[in-house]
Amino acid sequence: DARVTQTPRHKVTEMGQEVTMRCQPILGHNTVFWYRQTMMQGLELLAYFRNRAPLDDSGMPKDRFSAEMPDATLATLKIQPSEPRDSAVYFCASGLTDTQYFGPGTRLTVL
Amino acid sequence: GDSVTQMEGPVTLSEEAFLTINCTYTATGYPSLFWYVQYPGEGLQLLLKATKADDKGSNKGFEATYRKETTSFHLEKGSVQVSDSAVYFCALFPGSNYQLIWGAGTKLIIKP
Repeated sequence: DARVTQTPRHKVTEMGQEVTMRCQPILGHNTVFWYRQTMMQGLELLAYFRNRAPLDDSGMPKDRFSAEMPDATLATLKIQPSEPRDSAVYFCASGLTDTQYFGPGTRLTVL
Repeated sequence: GDSVTQMEGPVTLSEEAFLTINCTYTATGYPSLFWYVQYPGEGLQLLLKATKADDKGSNKGFEATYRKETTSFHLEKGSVQVSDSAVYFCALFPGSNYQLIWGAGTKLIIKP
């Protein structure tokens, strides 16, 4: 049963620290999405890649967030420096056509 | 632009009640339509989908029919269980840029 995996599952850090979240998409999927979910804003699309090329990162705060796909089996989302307002659950999803498959998420708390 | 509107929650029902969660959409063309479910502490899971008008998606006792004439994709279940308590998201795939357009989500609470 193929699944999207995300690490770490939980992260507590202090304001100003760098945070890196990792995602392993389902093997063979060529589209990878990063979402952020909060109670106030709901589910927000931050960025996504197709065949490892960034297609849209307009949902990301450009000054502190960056997303990359070093290879087809790894996507990363980095926040530097982190701020308390970045506290949220970050989801990675992958897909091939129309359906997206979500990972379990990384719950980030910035103190 | 394309959009999805869901009924606001929370929706609170008793066990074995009939469930309807309304979803309407605005889109050009012929999008695919989805329902996803998110249980507490988990990621979103695909519940069902339909790819063309009059198609019915079904899974785990849930059903939704793609109604192009009313631009709707309402989720129904005949008899809900406490374990169905979750947040339900309606979404559409317009096909133009690989993204899903999401509704705001509807929280469902089932009381024993």
